[in-house]
Amino acid sequence: EPEVTQTPSHQVTQMGQEVILRCVPISNHLYFYWYRQILGQKVEFLVSFYNNEISEKSEIFDDQFSVERPDGSNFTLKIRSTKLEDSAMYFCASSEAGPGDEKLFFGSGTQLSVL
Amino acid sequence: RKEVEQDPGPFNVPEGATVAFNCTYSNSASQSFFWYRQDCRKEPKLLMSVYSSGNEDGRFTAQLNRASQYISLLIRDSKLSDSATYLCASHGSSNTGKLIFGQGTTLQVKP
Repeated sequence: EPEVTQTPSHQVTQMGQEVILRCVPISNHLYFYWYRQILGQKVEFLVSFYNNEISEKSEIFDDQFSVERPDGSNFTLKIRSTKLEDSAMYFCASSEAGPGDEKLFFGSGTQLSVL
Repeated sequence: RKEVEQDPGPFNVPEGATVAFNCTYSNSASQSFFWYRQDCRKEPKLLMSVYSSGNEDGRFTAQLNRASQYISLLIRDSKLSDSATYLCASHGSSNTGKLIFGQGTTLQVKP
């Protein structure tokens, strides 16, 4: 069964450092998303991406965040200068059909710890 | 009012019990609703879509009540393996395909 894959599964970094979280969405999917979940809290939307551009972003997704689809398969989330409060599980998701049929499929996540 | 709200629980039930969760949503224009299951520190996994006519998949039944703006999930004959957090999700006011999640309802099924 096709799945969304994320690497690394765990990332430890120092405050102020840049991190790049990587995702390979399901191959025929066209809509891509990043979510995060702080421990004990709900899954929060960060950004949606379609047709090589951001289609929507949340208030959390400030200038420190960026996304890229550098080739036909990878979808990355970059945090330029990490803060302690960026520590969370980051989930990548993809869907085939997008608006009106938002069945999102999630990767297993990257646990980011900022020290 | 939060866009999607759930009672966090936990719901503690014995094996074999029937349990139901509700989830309310604030945006009356929302069209798509889903239930996801999340195990501890794992990714959300799609459990089922919620249609206006209701949706049943084995022991699981999902219902949508547009008049009162809530969706429900009913689990019959609970198994130990049903222990998890159940997230409801809606696309809200967005047209970009994003889902908005509730905080989840935790279910513990006891032997």
